Amino acid sequence: DVKVTQSSRYLVKRTGEKVFLECVQDMDHENMFWYRQDPGLGLRLIYFSYDVKMKEKGDIPEGYSVSREKKERFSLILESASTNQTSMYLCASSLTRGFPSSGANVLTFGAGSRLTVL
Amino acid sequence: AQSVTQLGSHVSVSEGALVLLRCNYSSSVPPYLFWYVQYPNQGLQLLLKYTTGATLVKGINGFEAEFKKSETSFHLTKPSAHMSDAAEYFCAVSVVRGKLIFGQGTTLQVKP
Repeated sequence: DVKVTQSSRYLVKRTGEKVFLECVQDMDHENMFWYRQDPGLGLRLIYFSYDVKMKEKGDIPEGYSVSREKKERFSLILESASTNQTSMYLCASSLTRGFPSSGANVLTFGAGSRLTVL
Repeated sequence: AQSVTQLGSHVSVSEGALVLLRCNYSSSVPPYLFWYVQYPNQGLQLLLKYTTGATLVKGINGFEAEFKKSETSFHLTKPSAHMSDAAEYFCAVSVVRGKLIFGQGTTLQVKP
């Protein structure tokens, strides 16, 4: 089974702290994504990556950065956490960047990391 | 630009009743469309997807969805709701390069 593992399910941090959210996939997927989930807003894309050391901004990148040093690992970094970054963060991966391809766009999600910033 | 609108943030049905969750999309290219489900304290999992071919798509747990190009819709249905169907459901459209744009989500409540 394809697996995406997010290292922390629940985190509580203070305003101004640096926060690392880690995501690892074991499927040799090329693409990895970080989404933020808020009630009434659905999922919004923060950053994504199609290859090692490669990143592209999503719809709401402000206040976030990412790192992809290895194919299987995609980290989300909050340089200075703020209370408006309290949210559920979801990592996902997919097989290839090919489009169109019926399997290429199916995302496999991790269980999520719920971050509270005080 | 692609977008997805889910009509109704909360839907409540009785056990055994028809489930209908509505999704409309906007896309400038032939879309790939998806429904994902999220159970409490879990990530999202794929229910079904439409890529090309047959417009009626069957998914897991008895769900199905019909792609209607003329109506730009991809509504999710299930003939008979079970208590275990209570969850949040997300419709999504695929944009180029593998990104998905998600709707706002619909929470399904199933009453005994």
